[in-house]
Amino acid sequence: EAGVTQFPSHSVIEKGQTVTLRCDPISGHDNLYWYRRVMGKEIKFLLHFVKESKQDESGMPNNRFLAERTGGTYSTLKVQPAELEDSGVYFCASSQLGRSSYEQYFGPGTRLTVT
Amino acid sequence: AQSVTQLGSHVSVSEGALVLLRCNYSSSVPPYLFWYVQYPNQGLQLLLKYTSAATLVKGINGFEAEFKKSETSFHLTKPSAHMSDAAEYFCAVSEETSGSRLTFGEGTQLTVNP
Repeated sequence: EAGVTQFPSHSVIEKGQTVTLRCDPISGHDNLYWYRRVMGKEIKFLLHFVKESKQDESGMPNNRFLAERTGGTYSTLKVQPAELEDSGVYFCASSQLGRSSYEQYFGPGTRLTVT
Repeated sequence: AQSVTQLGSHVSVSEGALVLLRCNYSSSVPPYLFWYVQYPNQGLQLLLKYTSAATLVKGINGFEAEFKKSETSFHLTKPSAHMSDAAEYFCAVSEETSGSRLTFGEGTQLTVNP
């Protein structure tokens, strides 16, 4: 069974540019989460999809971040325009619905560097 | 509100020695607790979880953790460290009342010396 995949693995962009990160969850997982780890800090929750609906987006830092999950399969996270403080590792995780939702499976992350 | 504190951002042990990674949590309701491990260039892998069943939880690779409500702790242990255990370890908490999102500690980098 394929795990959670993320693309790209690394991205280096200049301040003011746009970047789109992609996450493919485990097949059949209706829950999809985005997290971010800024260097030296803890991993922080960004948002949670249940199928195609945003269940909780309380962790999104500001309106420069836009997440979508059209069709309830893969998800994208767009940062526009990127700022220096957006640098970090962006993790995606997925889980099944119900009590198993607490067992989240993580992807390898996308390392974003904004220069 | 939930929070997690991991004592010690870096822990170094000798091969064969006891591994003890400390985690304390704060939660207003009975929590779910997790330990994840991240090996270099890989994603986070679930080591073990506590979801209100047995307080002593056994995980993969010989790791275990004990939930102690009175101490609000969920420390991770392994009797004998192996070189392959070198990685970064994260403690996390989740509450039913806040959905299934995880709140993480800052992580502990474990080094195993030969």
